[in-house]
This record gives sequence, structure tokens and C-alpha cells, in this order.
Amino acid sequence: DADVTQTPRNRITKTGKRIMLECSQTKGHDRMYWYRQDPGLGLRLIYYSFDVKDINKGEISDGYSVSRQAQAKFSLSLESAIPNQTALYFCATSDFPRGYGYTFGSGTRLTVV
Amino acid sequence: QKEVEQNSGPLSVPEGAIASLNCTYSDRGSQSFFWYRQYSGKSPELIMSIYSNGDKEDGRFTAQLNKASQYVSLLIRDSQPSDSATYLCAVTDQTGANNLFFGTGTRLTVIP
Repeated sequence: DADVTQTPRNRITKTGKRIMLECSQTKGHDRMYWYRQDPGLGLRLIYYSFDVKDINKGEISDGYSVSRQAQAKFSLSLESAIPNQTALYFCATSDFPRGYGYTFGSGTRLTVV
Repeated sequence: QKEVEQNSGPLSVPEGAIASLNCTYSDRGSQSFFWYRQYSGKSPELIMSIYSNGDKEDGRFTAQLNKASQYVSLLIRDSQPSDSATYLCAVTDQTGANNLFFGTGTRLTVIP
């Protein structure tokens, strides 16, 4: 099994619908992140969490919300999806300060029509 | 706004050549620097990290850091077709959050 698992892998949804992207990890890392990736814009940070009670906004949090249900689970919600939220979404974990690099999940490709 | 700049490419090199990828960053307080490789449609994979000025070698990869010039580079020696991918430069911010900020990536194609 993958260390960082994202579900679903692909999703097509309609404008205005609420959608949740889920992330779970078996690495035991405290820090978890949600990024979106758009062509030409790179990876941009949406939200990050250092533990269950510590959740923070990133660069582009408008239109998104998150929930850290447990150390291993971090979900991203789009309350009312819009077409410009069409992107590739990645969850990542970090073992900081023991390690600095991130481990990424396989990604969720979301299309809002 | 923290900025990490990379030439988007594409950069094409023949098999066996050295590929040189460059990155500049705006936050002078950044302390940690990373190179990720991303194959099309896949997730980024960490290949190199560097924290102090100078060179760091790992196999065919060498990362170079110059904090005074706010510049980090990645050299790939003996390039292989399997190295064809997008390479992302990432730097940490100087706050206690230690979050990563990514460049837009350089697409490398190694021609057999």
C-alpha cells in the first residue's frame, strides 16, 4: 500500500456541488498539506496542518476548507465547486523537523464542469 | 509573495550529456532547498536536498547552492531517456512553518 493515499484518483463534478477529497497516510508524520497544481502555475499551497488541532491557510485557501480527522487523515472540501477549481490536487506529508522533504500522494484529478 | 523562478523549458539534451537546471528564489531567509522530479501525470518525487552553500552529489545528480546569489541548480550527468520529466525546485520559507514553495518546473527531454 502507498504511504500517502488519496481518494478519489479522478473526479468530475458539476458547478455548485460540494466535493471532498480524502488523504490518509501510514508514515506517522504530523504535518500534512494540500496543494493544487495547474499548468504554468506550479504547486500552490491550499492548507496545511501540523497536528489535529493546528490547521492553517495557505496561499490560495478561498473556496476550500479542510478537516484533520486524525493524525493520519486530512480531507479537503470544495464547498461549492467552480470551474476554475479544475486542477490536479496533491496531499503531502512531512516529518519535519526530523526530515525536511515532503512525501506526496498520487494526486486527485478534479474536473468541474 | 515568495517567488521561486525556473526556466520552463523544454530543455532538450542528448543521451549521455549533462543536463543543467537552474532556479532562483526571492526569500533571502530560505534555509532548505529541494529538487523534485515529476513524470507526466504522476506525483513529485524528492531526488535531492541541499542546505549549505556548495555542491552535494548523489549518484548522477549534483545540487549546487549559492545563498548569496539566491541560486540553486541541479546537474544530471550521463543523462538517460528515463530522466525525461519535469524538475521542480522547492525552497522553504524562513518562518517557523517551514513550508515549501515550488517553482513552476523545467521540462527536460533526453533524446536517445
